[in-house]
Amino acid sequence: DTEVTQTPKHLVMGMTNKKSLKCEQHMGHRAMYWYKQKAKKPPELMFVYSYEKLSINESVPSRFSPECPNSSLLNLHLHALQPEDSALYLCASSQGAQGGAETQYFGPGTRLLVL
Amino acid sequence: QKEVEQDPGPLSVPEGAIVSLNCTYSNSAFQYFMWYRQYSRKGPELLMYTYSSGNKEDGRFTAQVDKSSKYISLFIRDSQPSDSATYLCAMAYSNYQLIWGAGTKLIIKP
Repeated sequence: DTEVTQTPKHLVMGMTNKKSLKCEQHMGHRAMYWYKQKAKKPPELMFVYSYEKLSINESVPSRFSPECPNSSLLNLHLHALQPEDSALYLCASSQGAQGGAETQYFGPGTRLLVL
Repeated sequence: QKEVEQDPGPLSVPEGAIVSLNCTYSNSAFQYFMWYRQYSRKGPELLMYTYSSGNKEDGRFTAQVDKSSKYISLFIRDSQPSDSATYLCAMAYSNYQLIWGAGTKLIIKP
């Protein structure tokens, strides 16, 4: 089973709202990722958690706040977003083995619209 | 110059044709090469993963890596309308960060 699940599928929020995106995997993977994807563009890496510790933050604005409560769950907390933050937000996971590039498995994404 | 170049297409071919999708890259340090398929409004799905040079086959799909030419290819045999999607190549050194091509939109006409 190579399934990564994400909720919600769609989210509409105002610029003053606070919301959270959730991601879950049960493959025993120890690395989890958040990506942002705009239309007709490849995914852009936002954050990487390795063994529940934040290992990569690609200079993402502080209105995006990641959280990894345990090895199976990954959250992305959203606050005071801008309309340009509207995009498909993708979660991915990989084994997290030391060394070697990782085969990343993606979830279906959350389509976010900021009004 | 981008690290990974991929023609965005669209590439339109008739059903049953052999499709060839390609990426070129500039950094010889890349060791890991992947092809993902992404349907509209869905997440990317891993199709092929190759380490270093050589060929890999899985059903109707064949991935080729030519490190001497810094060129990778994905071939799809007996293409079907259900293969219509965007195909993204991705490459990596030895860490968590994938370097992506722009993606090629493929249209298979019945």
